[in-house]
Amino acid sequence: GDSVTQMEGPVTLSEEAFLTINCTYTATGYPSLFWYVQYPGEGLQLLLKATKADDKGSNKGFEATYRKETTSFHLEKGSVQVSDSAVYFCALTGNTNAGKSTFGDGTTLTVKP
Amino acid sequence: NAGVMQNPRHLVRRRGQEARLRCSPMKGHSHVYWYRQLPEEGLKFMVYLQKENIIDESGMPKERFSAEFPKEGPSILRIQQVVRGDSAAYFCASSPPPGQTNSPLHFGNGTRLTVT
Repeated sequence: GDSVTQMEGPVTLSEEAFLTINCTYTATGYPSLFWYVQYPGEGLQLLLKATKADDKGSNKGFEATYRKETTSFHLEKGSVQVSDSAVYFCALTGNTNAGKSTFGDGTTLTVKP
Repeated sequence: NAGVMQNPRHLVRRRGQEARLRCSPMKGHSHVYWYRQLPEEGLKFMVYLQKENIIDESGMPKERFSAEFPKEGPSILRIQQVVRGDSAAYFCASSPPPGQTNSPLHFGNGTRLTVT
């Protein structure tokens, strides 16, 4: 079945540092890929998405590129802020399971001033 | 802003009691998904419903757990005879029809169940 593997956390960075959170996936066919962010006490919010190979999703300075050859969707940001502290989830929706999404275990990011 | 509404936000139950968690999807969404998040763990899929139909319940425990999404009213996740291991955050998400693969999920803020 489908699966998503995320880089283990927690990750602690200083403000303005470069961020990479790795994500690789296993799925049949051509899934859509997503990054969600969860702030304390809240539900998940969509951060960005990519629906086909070589697509780049971007939002709020975060970027991720759909790499089919390496089955990866790594999240990057050039300069993190304290307000980026949250849990980040990589997810996929396969084209064989009608909308059901599979999530990675999440990576906790803490940005220190 | 009629997002996904879950209630209650916090629910405390003693062992053996029943827990009922409610979810109203976003306006126009007819697909509802329930996920469970255990402490320090990721999201685990439980069940996927359309109005009056269970589409996929492969993530639901075989006993004590049930879900419904009636023609009128919210989706309900019911846990009977709760045990301490049921303590978790339960998230509901919705999506527009017909469950297109490139549609993101819209999540509620969750119900945090504590079993004492």
